[in-house]
Amino acid sequence: QLQLQESGPGLVKPSETLSLTCTVSGGSLSNSNDFWDWIRQAPGKGLEWIANIQSGGGTYYNPSLKSRVTISIDTSKNQFSLKLNSVTADDTAVYYCARRPPWRGFDIWGQGTMVTV
Amino acid sequence: DIQMTQSPSSLSASVGDRVTITCRASQGISSYLAWFQQKPGKAPKFLIYGAFSLQSGVPSKFSGSGSGTDFTLTISSLQPEDFATYYCQQYHSYPLTFGGGTKVDMK
Repeated sequence: QLQLQESGPGLVKPSETLSLTCTVSGGSLSNSNDFWDWIRQAPGKGLEWIANIQSGGGTYYNPSLKSRVTISIDTSKNQFSLKLNSVTADDTAVYYCARRPPWRGFDIWGQGTMVTV
Repeated sequence: DIQMTQSPSSLSASVGDRVTITCRASQGISSYLAWFQQKPGKAPKFLIYGAFSLQSGVPSKFSGSGSGTDFTLTISSLQPEDFATYYCQQYHSYPLTFGGGTKVDMK
């Protein structure tokens, strides 16, 4: 059973860089066409898609965040990561990693990690 | 960007009620629509993809319909475990976008 787990600091200072890692267990993220995504949810708000990556390294970014976001993948560690720089209080949110098979919705989610700026 | 608009934003219902939630896309997305259920403090749960295809393990009381710009999620007989917030999401084009959510609470 594939599982995803986010990790990273729960508190980041304004203007610094938020760094999160998603570790995939129970399967490999390197031998599929799946997309590996980051999504966030500010307190009491809806869901916002941030970016995704495939095992081959192809990426897509939300234009609203693109200038501050980098997504990367390490297939040897079965992990993918998110960096968001120049954070402000508006970046305070629960950050989720998720898997999205081609032409489907996000079928597997991590439990989420709360990041406060 | 494709804007996804859900209505209503909240609704009150009783156990056993039939509940319908609407999602409208700002432009045509064919059937590239998913639905999620989220309970407080939990990650969203994947319910439906392709506008009407039930994800494995999701009970058949949930159903989806629509194509193009107008979609619905129906819960045929609301049960206590169904009180939650529901989101639609389009995956027709980037950036991927979600509706604002519909909170279903107890009347």
